[in-house]
Amino acid sequence: DGGITQSPKYLFRKEGQNVTLSCEQNLNHDAMYWYRQDPGQGLRLIYYSQIVNDFQKGDIAEGYSVSREKKESFPLTVTSAQKNPTAFYLCASSISLQPQHFGDGTRLSIL
Amino acid sequence: GNSVTQMEGPVTLSEEAFLTINCTYTATGYPSLFWYVQYPGEGLQLLLKATKADDKGSNKGFEATYRKETTSFHLEKGSVQVSDSAVYFCALTFNDYKLSFGAGTTVTVRA
Repeated sequence: DGGITQSPKYLFRKEGQNVTLSCEQNLNHDAMYWYRQDPGQGLRLIYYSQIVNDFQKGDIAEGYSVSREKKESFPLTVTSAQKNPTAFYLCASSISLQPQHFGDGTRLSIL
Repeated sequence: GNSVTQMEGPVTLSEEAFLTINCTYTATGYPSLFWYVQYPGEGLQLLLKATKADDKGSNKGFEATYRKETTSFHLEKGSVQVSDSAVYFCALTFNDYKLSFGAGTTVTVRA
């Protein structure tokens, strides 16, 4: 079945460490997105990519980085510059003019 | 900028009760509107959508009508079940590359 796979489901990070969240899709979608979800705040866009080798900052990109070397993959790195990284991170993808499909998320916690 | 306002939760109902979740938006122009649902521990799933004024989206017994006069897209279901317990998000987009989400409304249905 086609879909979006996020891994791992739970991730723990020590202070000062970078950590990378994986997102893979086999839907042949051109666009991919990363969102952050905090309680009571809905989802906020971190980065998005419309095509391979290109990406744009969303509303809260500071402290995060991404790459898009393959159409299927859009990993997110949470750097040590992100001061409050504990959150639920959701990856999504879409094809032109169609609604976004979401993965099941990764919950990141700071030790 | 664009924004979405949802009624605050949590909402607790008994089975077979009527559910309404209010959603209003602020935007320049006429966006596409969506309702997404998030079950515990999962990502978001598209519930229904409407792309122009007076469109009615429907799915799984849920309905919402795009009202440009009141800039609203209220979600309704006539008879809820325990399995409808989830967080519901209203969202809008103009170009499908950037979704603006409401804060989410938690709904709990008791048997």
